[in-house]
Parts: sequence; C-alpha cells; structure tokens
Amino acid sequence: DIQMTQSPSTLSASVGERVTITCRASQSISSWLAWYQQKPGKAPKLLISKASSLESGVPSRFSGSGSETEFTLTISGLQPDDFATYYCQQYNSYPYTFGQGTKLEIK
Amino acid sequence: QVQLVQSGAEVKKPGASVKVSCKASGYTFTSYNINWVRQAPGQGLEWMGWLSAHNGNTNYAQKLQGRVTMTTDTSTSTAYMELRSLRSDDTAVYYCARALPGYYDILTGYFQYYFEYWGQGTLVTVSS
Repeated sequence: DIQMTQSPSTLSASVGERVTITCRASQSISSWLAWYQQKPGKAPKLLISKASSLESGVPSRFSGSGSETEFTLTISGLQPDDFATYYCQQYNSYPYTFGQGTKLEIK
Repeated sequence: QVQLVQSGAEVKKPGASVKVSCKASGYTFTSYNINWVRQAPGQGLEWMGWLSAHNGNTNYAQKLQGRVTMTTDTSTSTAYMELRSLRSDDTAVYYCARALPGYYDILTGYFQYYFEYWGQGTLVTVSS
C-alpha cells in the first residue's frame, strides 16, 4: 500500500497568513492526488484534484502543487472559515490511501 | 443539486452485521461510481471500496474482503454497504461518496477515482 504522510500534524496560524501543508507519498503517484477539507462533525469536502486543479466553487486562495512523491497545499490569506482539518488522498492505485490529516488551528 | 443522504446511526454487538444506505438524488445514479470511506473516532479516513452503480461491479479494500458487500438498488437510486462480523474497531462514521474518474489505469483495467460529493455520514457503534 502507498503510505501518505502529511506535515505538520497541527498548524497554528492567524487570519490573513499564508500557510503550507505538505503531503509525501511512499512511492511515485504521478499527479494523482486530491486534497479535502473537513470540519468537525461534517463530511470531507473536495478542494483540489490532480494535485493542482481547483474544484469549482473553491476560493482561489487555495492552491496545490507537486508531483511524484511530494505535494503541497497552500492557503494564501487565511479566512476564519478555513480553520479545519485537511487530508490528502492518492488515487494512483488501490487501495486508495489518505494522509493522517493536518489540523489548522487559530493562533 | 447532488445529494447523498445516508441512513441513521446504528449500535451493534460484536459479531453482528450492519447495512448502511446512501440515497442519491440530483443526478443520473447509474452514471457514477459510489465509494465508501470510514473514519474511526478522532482518526483519519480509510477507503473501503467502490461500487459501480451502472453494472454492480465492485472493488473492495483487501483488509475488508470477505466481510463487506456493496450493492445498489437502481430503482430507488440507493447504494448499500453491508459489513459483517463486526468488531469494536469497526466503530466509525461511514461515508458514501460519489466518485469522479481521475484516469484510466491500463495496468489494472480500472478507472481510478477521487471523491466529489459525500454523504453526511452514518455512525456505527460496535459495543457489547
């Protein structure tokens, strides 16, 4: 199975800041990576697919980059609604696997 | 608008079975695969498998093979996930998700998917 490792596990930041979350794959997954946002008690929400393709309706302050084994999710100009947990997911091969999550907290 | 509405919370004893439903609306049910993903309390996300709403084909995570069955009822646009021989570590929120094909994997002969729309989740608690 492909292991997905996110860092950091927890990130404290203030409104307006720029933050970056990293996701590393244990082997190459090309660009077959998605990012999700999850708020407490809610289902995950798709933000980005194919490493850098922003889903319709997702604010442009979210961006993704990377390929092969290293990927990043960047949020430029944090808004209060962005404080949540973020997960990466590889869909290069079965079984699909997720990172352990990065909790973005208000500083 | 696309909606996936899941059945309510369940409490089961170890060794029992549970069947969770996921009723779809707002799109042509048979045009998309449904995946199931679970999340243990305070933990991350675990993919369980997918089901083709078009032809009923399935692909299950190996660790659940033999205990999980995914089915559809196209007449009601509903997908089902049944998990048998429940254990305490099956306690989790179970989500259905409509999948989009990312690419066609020539090696496996399958499309590979990511998850566009999610149900609200169903808490399954396994406790004696």
